Amino acid sequence: KAGVTQTPRYLIKTRGQQVTLSCSPISGHRSVSWYQQTPGQGLQFLFEYFSETQRNKGNFPGRFSGRQFSNSRSEMNVSTLELGDSALYLCASSLFRGATRQEGRNNEQFFGPGTRLTVL
Amino acid sequence: GDSVTQMEGPVTLSEEAFLTINCTYTATGYPSLFWYVQYPGEGLQLLLKATKADDKGSNKGFEATYRKETTSFHLEKGSVQVSDSAVYFCALRQQGAQKLVFGQGTRLTINP
Repeated sequence: KAGVTQTPRYLIKTRGQQVTLSCSPISGHRSVSWYQQTPGQGLQFLFEYFSETQRNKGNFPGRFSGRQFSNSRSEMNVSTLELGDSALYLCASSLFRGATRQEGRNNEQFFGPGTRLTVL
Repeated sequence: GDSVTQMEGPVTLSEEAFLTINCTYTATGYPSLFWYVQYPGEGLQLLLKATKADDKGSNKGFEATYRKETTSFHLEKGSVQVSDSAVYFCALRQQGAQKLVFGQGTRLTINP
């Protein structure tokens, strides 16, 4: 079956603009998480969505937001872009939230190829 | 908070050499531990995992053992190939959570 897809793959924006990134999880997966990858800070957790609700949020400013739709597709939005927002944004999907030990053991997260955002 | 520390890279080895990439963690409770691999231009792929102390994860010749007493999860492979060249990330996830906490990553280059 198809993997996690992210669109667009590459994006160039200028400071002050806003951007929306999209993630389509594997069919049947209900949990979507977002991560930011930069050379300096590495991989950092942005947020997690399950059943259209944000379940957890990382330590990012309010300019970073997201949502999840009823078909589990997710979008993240960054407003008032800054140079430091240039990064690879990765989306990961999984079947469950991993709330129980049993779910956690079998709850592999599958990553998409990412969206490379460049802010000029 | 939880954190993961990996050995600094880059690591360069010759084909068929033995590989060790060190990973230690700081966390409360009993997290699950993972190794992910990232090939150029791609997202992360799960390489192996261990969900409790003394578990050994293995895949494609790679192994790592969950050592609670030393809070470590070192990645090993007996004989590396050029195709193993990639960036490797150690990560942990607390029980009942989705959030992965990653190490800084180790870039591995295997020369023929």
